[in-house]
Amino acid sequence: DAGVIQSPRHEVTEMGQEVTLRCKPISGHNSLFWYRQTMMRGLELLIYFNNNVPIDDSGMPEDRFSAKMPNASFSTLKIQPSEPRDSAVYFCASSFAYGEHYGYTFGSGTRLTVV
Amino acid sequence: AQSVTQLDSHVSVSEGTPVLLRCNYSSSYSPSLFWYVQHPNKGLQLLLKYTSAATLVKGINGFEAEFKKSETSFHLTKPSAHMSDAAEYFCVVSDDKIIFGKGTRLHILP
Repeated sequence: DAGVIQSPRHEVTEMGQEVTLRCKPISGHNSLFWYRQTMMRGLELLIYFNNNVPIDDSGMPEDRFSAKMPNASFSTLKIQPSEPRDSAVYFCASSFAYGEHYGYTFGSGTRLTVV
Repeated sequence: AQSVTQLDSHVSVSEGTPVLLRCNYSSSYSPSLFWYVQHPNKGLQLLLKYTSAATLVKGINGFEAEFKKSETSFHLTKPSAHMSDAAEYFCVVSDDKIIFGKGTRLHILP
């Protein structure tokens, strides 16, 4: 298995532009998580899906952020409009089941820079 | 409410000496506990996990951790540090939510 695949690896965009981050979870995993990592706040859970359904999006910073999971093999995190404070590394992770002793497999992350 | 505290933000050890990274947690239930490692510019990799079986858990790369319920601790250890162990380590607690610690950056001195 290729693991959790995220694209792009790096994204540089101008303030106000729309940004879309993509994630392909491990086949057979039914939980998917989006995390944001910054020096100031460490790792923050933004949203997670179980069986393609968003379960908890309380970590999503504001309405500029949205996430979708149209099928079991693909998820997107969209920021519109982007702001410099959104600059961070965004990680996607998948798991066989939420919170249930299996551990999470992380992608390599997308480093987002908003200028 | 559950929480996880990594007591040291930075730890420096000499190559070949033991490593101890400390983690304390609080949880209303019997949690699952994990340690992850993140090398520079990489994603997070699972080192080991505790899920209410044996209290001493062995992970990859010679790391192990011991679950001590009386002390609410899950410290990560390794008998002999290697230069390749230099990374950031995250302790994670999971019962009804998944909570990451702030991380401990491990520096290995030659």
